[in-house]
Amino acid sequence: GENVEQHPSTLSVQEGDSAVIKCTYSDSASNYFPWYKQELGKRPQLIIDIRSNVGEKKDQRIAVTLNKTAKHFSLHITETQPEDSAVYFCAARGTGRRALTFGSGTRLQVQP
Amino acid sequence: SAVISQKPSRDICQRGTSLTIQCQVDSQVTMMFWYRQQPGQSLTLIATANQGSEATYESGFVIDKFPISRPNLTFSTLTVSNMSPEDSSIYLCSDLARDRGRLQETQYFGPGTRLLVL
Repeated sequence: GENVEQHPSTLSVQEGDSAVIKCTYSDSASNYFPWYKQELGKRPQLIIDIRSNVGEKKDQRIAVTLNKTAKHFSLHITETQPEDSAVYFCAARGTGRRALTFGSGTRLQVQP
Repeated sequence: SAVISQKPSRDICQRGTSLTIQCQVDSQVTMMFWYRQQPGQSLTLIATANQGSEATYESGFVIDKFPISRPNLTFSTLTVSNMSPEDSSIYLCSDLARDRGRLQETQYFGPGTRLLVL
């Protein structure tokens, strides 16, 4: 089945700096890669996603890039703000599966 | 997107007992899933809840321990049976919905049920 690895496990940045979180996946046929943000005590919320026929997608301060050849995708957050502090999960949807497989998560701390 | 509700939101249970978690979606969805999130960990898929038939379990999860029902398209239950402290976790219901204007189905999550087993 699909296996998703995520790095780093923790990331601390100063307010206004950029943050990058990276994920790799194992199933070359995976075609959908969402990112979720989970604040403490809350449910995971979808923040951005990308399909395998697109290399990059941007939504205001967040962007996701996908390299199908290398089987990795990344989340980029620019001009970070304290409210960006949360745990971020990458995920992938593999062949023949409808449920997502999640990475291990990255705890992002934005220092004011 | 479909609104997902779960109950109970939290519970404290004694070992050896069972707890049934309910999940209600406000519109008909194609698929429903149950995930477990242990403290400080990622989300692990327990099973896919199939409407009108037995759930499809992931490796490491069995029906005797986690019986699941889905009597219709908008409702599902997960039972955690014969609980032990290792079952202390957050249990999340999830659905797959096709939002208006989007080609891709999106997976949404309920608020979770926080379970503590003593």
